[in-house]
Amino acid sequence: GAGVSQTPSNKVTEKGKYVELRCDPISGHTALYWYRQSLGQGPEFLIYFQGTGAADDSGLPNDRFFAVRPEGSVSTLKIQRTERGDSAVYLCASSLIGLAGDEQYFGPGTRLTVT
Amino acid sequence: KQEVTQIPAALSVPEGENLVLNCSFTDSAIYNLQWFRQDPGKGLTSLLLIQSSQREQTSGRLNASLDKSSGRSTLYIAASQPGDSATYLCAVRDNAGNMLTFGGGTRLMVKP
Repeated sequence: GAGVSQTPSNKVTEKGKYVELRCDPISGHTALYWYRQSLGQGPEFLIYFQGTGAADDSGLPNDRFFAVRPEGSVSTLKIQRTERGDSAVYLCASSLIGLAGDEQYFGPGTRLTVT
Repeated sequence: KQEVTQIPAALSVPEGENLVLNCSFTDSAIYNLQWFRQDPGKGLTSLLLIQSSQREQTSGRLNASLDKSSGRSTLYIAASQPGDSATYLCAVRDNAGNMLTFGGGTRLMVKP
């Protein structure tokens, strides 16, 4: 079956601009996660959704970052007033029910470059 | 706060060697530990998931062990092949939350 998909695969934007990154989870998965991976490092947690609500947003670095999942499926990560330090690969993952034993399946990521 | 460390950061070996990648974590109250593979410019592929009650998991030429009390896991790759060249990431899931905490990865190069 189809895995987690993310669009766009690459995004180049100018400093100060607004960007939206999209994640389509595996069909039927209720839990969705966003991570950010800087060059040469492991991914870092940003936010976790259970259904439509953000169950844990403790990893969002500041209030320029926001994410939504209005219908409990597709999620959009929104970044306002982008900065060069936001350049990274943004990874999305989904899992079936979001319990601790649940395996997370990752998408290919969106590579964001802020110039 | 959970911290995950992977050693070595990079490794280059000739084809056919058996090798061990190391992962350590600071908080032993984990639910499970997962090893991933990441190819350049790609997402993460799950290799092995070890629940906290388990000691090891095996898949083909891969074997992962977990010693929760000492905060360590190893990934053993037997008879390495050039196709094994990738970055290997270790991640733990704490009892307290649903997110994964990742190590910095080990970049493996297997030379023909």
